Amino acid sequence: GQQLNQSPQSMFIQEGEDVSMNCTSSSIFNTWLWYKQEPGEGPVLLIALYKAGELTSNGRLTAQFGITRKDSFLNISASIPSDVGIYFCAGHGTYKYIFGTGTRLKVLA
Amino acid sequence: GAVVSQHPSRVICKSGTSVKIECRSLDFQATTMFWYRQFPKQSLMLMATSNEGSKATYEQGVEKDKFLINHASLTLSTLTVTSAHPEDSSFYICSATGASYNEQFFGPGTRLTVL
Repeated sequence: GQQLNQSPQSMFIQEGEDVSMNCTSSSIFNTWLWYKQEPGEGPVLLIALYKAGELTSNGRLTAQFGITRKDSFLNISASIPSDVGIYFCAGHGTYKYIFGTGTRLKVLA
Repeated sequence: GAVVSQHPSRVICKSGTSVKIECRSLDFQATTMFWYRQFPKQSLMLMATSNEGSKATYEQGVEKDKFLINHASLTLSTLTVTSAHPEDSSFYICSATGASYNEQFFGPGTRLTVL
């Protein structure tokens, strides 16, 4: 199936550092969603974006809907060990959601 | 709000048997439910989209006779893996959207192991 390009694929960071990841697509999306998935569990919605240019925060997380509607980024500030997991972006097209390839985050205490 | 449950969370079955997985929206009416499959260290791959009361729309390459989907009510969708084989072993996750939500909310997933 179709997937979004998400980068980086994985990253190790020190506790307290800021993290940035992004998704790009060749298609325009109307909605961008960011999820976090922990091992053996379903993805949990972190942030939803509905308008081009929109910048939304949820605690230490900030995400933006790109002006071109073909990209989005997620920032995590002052990372903590419990931020570990896989982060997925998802773009909503005509009738379904397309998921990114995921960013695996590991935080070193 | 927006809680989705899945049952069972884990299932182990013998090759050739059928397995049914239930997906329920607990506190909202799910007009659309999605079924995904996820292999280790990979992203979610959409299998099918189901709308209440109508036939599911399957993604290319997904056998509709192999993966039977029923969305009989606004709070329940089921996925039946028929004549399961070891290659069907995977993590199956459902999600739901509703009239009140533009977002997609996921269930906790079902780990299927076919021996």
